Amino acid sequence: AQSVTQLDSQVPVFEEAPVELRCNYSSSVSVYLFWYVQYPNQGLQLLLKYLSGSTLVKGINGFEAEFNKSQTSFHLRKPSVHISDTAEYFCAVSVGQGGKLIFGQGTELSVKP
Amino acid sequence: GAVVSQHPSRVICKSGTSVKIECRSLDFQATTMFWYRQFPKQSLMLMATSNEGSKATYEQGVEKDKFLINHASLTLSTLTVTSAHPEDSSFYICSARDSGFANYGYTFGSGTRLTVV
Repeated sequence: AQSVTQLDSQVPVFEEAPVELRCNYSSSVSVYLFWYVQYPNQGLQLLLKYLSGSTLVKGINGFEAEFNKSQTSFHLRKPSVHISDTAEYFCAVSVGQGGKLIFGQGTELSVKP
Repeated sequence: GAVVSQHPSRVICKSGTSVKIECRSLDFQATTMFWYRQFPKQSLMLMATSNEGSKATYEQGVEKDKFLINHASLTLSTLTVTSAHPEDSSFYICSARDSGFANYGYTFGSGTRLTVV
């Protein structure tokens, strides 16, 4: 069975600094990978996804992620964060087009002035 | 882009009553919808997969008779929490899958905060 591990539960960072949120997955078959952001008391908003093709995926709000099959990772990066990026970030994986979405534990990004 | 509407956003009910939550895909057909439960400061836990025109598939440990799911059309799935108790208080989120490859993804509703008193 597939699983997702987000290695950091909390990431504090200063405004305009770069950030990386780490995500590793385990699966014996090909997967689709996603990053979502959740603001308090709201649903999830898709930041980016990897289905196939280029391993570097660019998303909304200046975020990007790189799919690394050999390391089974899909880390999320942003070169310069803003206060408004403070939120919970979830990495998720689905197996094939028929698969359900499995989430990591979440990473709380806290951007300080 | 794909939009999923979830209602109500907040509901307070008395212990022992039932509550229905609706999830609608507004601009695409969703043959499959998912229902999640989220506790404070925790991740989303998949409760069940809802397939249009057939019975829902529940995850292990989720009570089918307590959490009734109906997916009667390609754009609407409902979750009914029956005989609610305080321990059912939680944040419930639905998701609809767009299966077209170019748009493949999962769109989430805005969630429902259920409080049982």
